[in-house]
Amino acid sequence: AQKVTQAQTEISVVEKEDVTLDCVYETRDTTYYLFWYKQPPSGELVFLIRRNSFDEQNEISGRYSWNFQKSTSSFNFTITASQVVDSAVYFCALSEPSNTDKLIFGTGTRLQVFP
Amino acid sequence: DAGVIQSPRHEVTEMGQEVTLRCKPISGHDYLFWYRQTMMRGLELLIYFNNNVPIDDSGMPEDRFSAKMPNASFSTLKIQPSEPRDSAVYFCASSLAGNQPQHFGDGTRLSIL
Repeated sequence: AQKVTQAQTEISVVEKEDVTLDCVYETRDTTYYLFWYKQPPSGELVFLIRRNSFDEQNEISGRYSWNFQKSTSSFNFTITASQVVDSAVYFCALSEPSNTDKLIFGTGTRLQVFP
Repeated sequence: DAGVIQSPRHEVTEMGQEVTLRCKPISGHDYLFWYRQTMMRGLELLIYFNNNVPIDDSGMPEDRFSAKMPNASFSTLKIQPSEPRDSAVYFCASSLAGNQPQHFGDGTRLSIL
């Protein structure tokens, strides 16, 4: 069965620290997609990245980077030089074409960045 | 481009009343999803549509919940009769295709007294 685990419930850092949010997934499929979403205190869900299972290249977007490792079924998210505006709940999610492409979300990691 | 538009943003009503949540997806998106978010259960998929047809409604909690998509630009989620345990934030999302990124509306915060 598909499953997404975000073991870190809450992380607190001080501004300018680097922080990594962990995501571990379970799937039996060879084709699948992984996502990260951000939910700031205002409540909306913001799409950050989508990665398919055949593309293991790490991705960097500004201060954000993602490390996809199929060998450990992980898709971790790192924020470099964190800022107060990064404070949010971050969700990792998985979808499988064999399971009607439903998004299965992890329970989220609440990140608090203090000035 | 306009994003996913949900209304109302907030709804407070008494138990037993009918509640209707509305969603306008992004134009051109063929998939529409309804989610519920609570502290206890996190984000749950309730139902989703492809080209206005319901594909998977296994997440709909019970018969009190119903969803429709009469056309490509409008969907409703109805709760009748409402109960206090239905209090949650309800999100609508749309995507171009099944495995493409879903874009979420701002949500409807529902409180049933």
